[in-house]
Amino acid sequence: KAGVTQTPRYLIKTRGQQVTLSCSPISGHRSVSWYQQTPGQGLQFLFEYFSETQRNKGNFPGRFSGRQFSNSRSEMNVSTLELGDSALYLCASSLGPELMLTRPDPDTQYFGPGTRLTVL
Amino acid sequence: AQKITQTQPGMFVQEKEAVTLDCTYDTSDPSYGLFWYKQPSSGEMIFLIYQGSYDQQNATEGRYSLNFQKARKSANLVISASQLGDSAMYFCAMREAYTGRRALTFGSGTRLQVQP
Repeated sequence: KAGVTQTPRYLIKTRGQQVTLSCSPISGHRSVSWYQQTPGQGLQFLFEYFSETQRNKGNFPGRFSGRQFSNSRSEMNVSTLELGDSALYLCASSLGPELMLTRPDPDTQYFGPGTRLTVL
Repeated sequence: AQKITQTQPGMFVQEKEAVTLDCTYDTSDPSYGLFWYKQPSSGEMIFLIYQGSYDQQNATEGRYSLNFQKARKSANLVISASQLGDSAMYFCAMREAYTGRRALTFGSGTRLQVQP
């Protein structure tokens, strides 16, 4: 089974621009979560989508947004880029919220390779 | 408040030896799950092992095992017979069941270097 794919792998943008990142989950997975990883703040949760609806949101400004399509693929968008948005953006997929920490599957999140965004 | 604490920024281990990576957590939720992930320099987070709060036995997955001490709120990862390919960042993460938040909360990570 193919893993989580993210495109593009690398991006260089300038301040003020906007960017769209894409994530394709593992086949059959319906939940997609996004995380931002920076050296200073570590791994931080951005948002989660399930059935094309945002189910959870982290503590990020409104410049960060996302959506999910009917095939579970997800995109996240960052508008008016700032230098501090430079980070590795990780997408994770899982089966979905019905399986809440129950054996045998704890609804483990499986991550993609990430998109490394550099804002100049 | 920090919910996951990894106190070892870096660890060295000799090839073929065992190593323990520490993780302590804080939660008032009676039902939660603890996950360990490995992140090589390529950036991808690789799921290693999971421990549920109600699991009676410590989780094991191949060379990975979890030393789960619920009363102490610790979930240390044990890697047996270290290999050069184990050199990576290791993250402990937690998800609480009853808060409704499905997001993983990560620790700051431990960089493991396996020496030949």
